[in-house]
Amino acid sequence: QQPVQSPQAVILREGEDAVINCSSSKALYSVHWYRQKHGEAPVFLMILLKGGEQKGHDKISASFNEKKQQSSLYLTASQLSYSGTYFCGTGNTNAGKSTFGDGTTLTVKP
Amino acid sequence: DAGVTQSPTHLIKTRGQHVTLRCSPISGHKSVSWYQQVLGQGPQFIFQYYEKEERGRGNFPDRFSARQFPNYSSELNVNALLLGDSALYLCASSWGGLKYEQYFGPGTRLTVT
Repeated sequence: QQPVQSPQAVILREGEDAVINCSSSKALYSVHWYRQKHGEAPVFLMILLKGGEQKGHDKISASFNEKKQQSSLYLTASQLSYSGTYFCGTGNTNAGKSTFGDGTTLTVKP
Repeated sequence: DAGVTQSPTHLIKTRGQHVTLRCSPISGHKSVSWYQQVLGQGPQFIFQYYEKEERGRGNFPDRFSARQFPNYSSELNVNALLLGDSALYLCASSWGGLKYEQYFGPGTRLTVT
């Protein structure tokens, strides 16, 4: 069962904030976040392993609520370079199968 | 350091043919995963290999097979190609399981006519 991402698309002005959510119907072992620009491969952003774990670098951070089987990606003071499609990838165990959502398309305008 | 490399970049095949896609992981990484990505969708997991052994398999028919070599590079083979196999095939390398970051290669764009 693939995770569900919301919203499907969001349009921002430079400097605005955004939150992208990822929900699973199954217990999660890990959540990975990626950004993919058109015609390019997905780029790794961060990985969260423990319930309640939060991570961040620069102005992008994420949280993982193990009980709710949810993760959220927070983008603050968005820049034009943040535009792209964001995917969450989830794993139920440490074994290899990673399941991706259908993505959230983020457009940042000047 | 070199990232994940894949070859070829683009490929056009005819229905019924066979195709082999290749992937070289980041130096030191022992795991390779293969994904299929159709336009507008997220990557769909096909296989994961770690230390030359299959560790995970997605919901793909037996026409899809893969292997990992002693140098940790990998091949994805698809037999009896169908039009629906047209997609971007991505390879990702990591140190091991899903507690580690995955780094994707540029992909192979396969078109089946």
